[in-house]
Amino acid sequence: RKEVEQDPGPFNVPEGATVAFNCTYSNSASQSFFWYRQDCRKEPKLLMSVYSSGNEDGRFTAQLNRASQYISLLIRDSKLSDSATYLCVVTPGGYSSASKIIFGSGTRLSIRP
Amino acid sequence: DTAVSQTPKYLVTQMGNDKSIKCEQNLGHDTMYWYKQDSKKFLKIMFSYNNKELIINETVPNRFSPKSPDKAHLNLHINSLELGDSAVYFCASSQDTMRGIYGYTFGSGTRLTVV
Repeated sequence: RKEVEQDPGPFNVPEGATVAFNCTYSNSASQSFFWYRQDCRKEPKLLMSVYSSGNEDGRFTAQLNRASQYISLLIRDSKLSDSATYLCVVTPGGYSSASKIIFGSGTRLSIRP
Repeated sequence: DTAVSQTPKYLVTQMGNDKSIKCEQNLGHDTMYWYKQDSKKFLKIMFSYNNKELIINETVPNRFSPKSPDKAHLNLHINSLELGDSAVYFCASSQDTMRGIYGYTFGSGTRLTVV
């Protein structure tokens, strides 16, 4: 089993729709989780951290399910500009050596007009 | 104004050649990284330097040699390029070694194609 797994997609949804995707991780000792966004042929950028109690940032909601070892990202009222690849990132702790930071391969999201 | 800049943006070269990629950050960060993103989009750490000192050297062929002349620069030299080296190479920086994931700033990437 891969350390971090994501459905590669693409998820193709109409503008205004709500879309959600998950990321599963294999190391039950993982402590810190993040979502990064990567536009086509660009660098990854931090979208949001994922907190145990779940957290929201505008139209974006991140959830953590420790029992089932997955994190999720929900995007409400999707915009054309949300089209990108979303990378899940898992680390053993908030203060971790970069060698222990695991990036998923990403879920591609495409929003159509 | 660019926080982390890498050059060149694109690099097409023949097998067996030697090439370098340069990276500079103007954020005053102490730690810099090289990541490789392969065709399957996995981002894998290659090297990390903290204040010019090598602190992470993942399982990377010794054809890859990083050099950090000062904490604002981290270059990557690749000898005897192979087809499998084709990938996008990202430079990144962070304030320090352990808080990296909270504040990675990535460069825009160098797309290396070996033919």
